[in-house]
Amino acid sequence: QVQLVQSGAEVKKPGSSVKVSCKASGDTFSAYTFTWVRQAPGQGLEWMGRIIPMLAVANYAPKFRGRVTITADKSTSTAYMTLNSLSSEDTAVYYCAGGRISDGDSWGQGTLVTVSS
Amino acid sequence: EIVLTQSPATLSLSPGERATLSCRASQSVGSYLAWYQQKPGQAPRLLIYDASNRAAGLPARFSGSGSGTDFTLTISSLEPEDFAVYYCQHRSNWPYTFGQGTRLEI
Repeated sequence: QVQLVQSGAEVKKPGSSVKVSCKASGDTFSAYTFTWVRQAPGQGLEWMGRIIPMLAVANYAPKFRGRVTITADKSTSTAYMTLNSLSSEDTAVYYCAGGRISDGDSWGQGTLVTVSS
Repeated sequence: EIVLTQSPATLSLSPGERATLSCRASQSVGSYLAWYQQKPGQAPRLLIYDASNRAAGLPARFSGSGSGTDFTLTISSLEPEDFAVYYCQHRSNWPYTFGQGTRLEI
């Protein structure tokens, strides 16, 4: 099963962008899909989008389409999520999840993104 | 967008009791439904995928059932470590939404 390690916490200004990384190890990167999910403080899980690295195809939730980009670098076994035009409502823990039998076999530890002026 | 509605919002039980959690979809998701457990300060953990398949290493007291629009997660005899929040999620079509969660508390 793949192990996922995410980049560290970020503090961003409103209107800026954030890029969160998710490095995979322990299994074949291209055999997995990678999904990004976020969780605002005290709230539930929110699906943002997913990429299939083997096909370089990404799909996004309508709520985030146009503002989020999910990519994958097979050479470094790393998935990325970039979110633009940040507002305070984007303050959340962002998780990546790797899937082979399902979409969420393994999860990263989460990355806290705080948006504050 | 498919809406998943979980019930109850909160379930209060004691160790040793049976827990039954429900997830209802606004339209059919076939068998493409997963269940996750999340404890405070931790990432979610996959329990069940494709409605009834247990994730590797999951204790047999956890089971999933259902298809179409109605799904159930059953914990046959609660252990202290089972008290957490449980989410269902479908992967039938985009976007792959989550339910709002059921808090299982003592």
